Amino acid sequence: GDQVEQSPSALSLHEGTSSALRCNFTTTTRSVQWFRQNSRGSLINLFYLASGTKENGRLKSAFDSKELYSTLHIRDAQLEDSGTYFCAAEGTGGYKVVFGSGTRLLVSP
Amino acid sequence: EAAVTQSPRNKVAVTGGKVTLSCNQTNNHNNMYWYRQDTGHGLRLIHYSYGAGSTEKGDIPDGYKASRPSQENFSLILELATPSQTSVYFCASAGTHSDYTFGSGTRLLVI
Repeated sequence: GDQVEQSPSALSLHEGTSSALRCNFTTTTRSVQWFRQNSRGSLINLFYLASGTKENGRLKSAFDSKELYSTLHIRDAQLEDSGTYFCAAEGTGGYKVVFGSGTRLLVSP
Repeated sequence: EAAVTQSPRNKVAVTGGKVTLSCNQTNNHNNMYWYRQDTGHGLRLIHYSYGAGSTEKGDIPDGYKASRPSQENFSLILELATPSQTSVYFCASAGTHSDYTFGSGTRLLVI
């Protein structure tokens, strides 16, 4: 099976609401990165975590290497948060990461 | 400004033809990567490189070659393009893992 299982595959939020995206890992994962892909296709690096949590504005991410999962919380969602969010896991086999299939987020008024 | 630049942005190729996708980075990163993105698959790693002169197979290398002639440049080569290689291709560079930077992508259509 896939190393990275991302959920949900799609999510709709109203402005001002909050939700969480999740990635489960099936093998030992050394670190996780979260990216957002906008409507033009550009991929933007949101977070890199080797452990613990990080916060940036309305976004907060956590990584539990023991329980093999990571989450991305979006607080007070805004229209510009719409896009596809990917997590990417770094295994122990070298300098490459494996991507999840993505969560398509649509924030509506 | 440090960046990853891909060329061309769009490409139409004929089946059986040779296609070269180019990537240039000004980040001075050692590691560079080629991914393809298809609906339902996310991004899948084709080839990657640890530095000039090195290339490594990723998860889906069949039908692709890579070349890293310098720190800045990393090319993806399709010697005999097939319609199944129609996709969006992304190049990325990384020094430490926290600074993974992507190019804007190349849309390839093989007819």
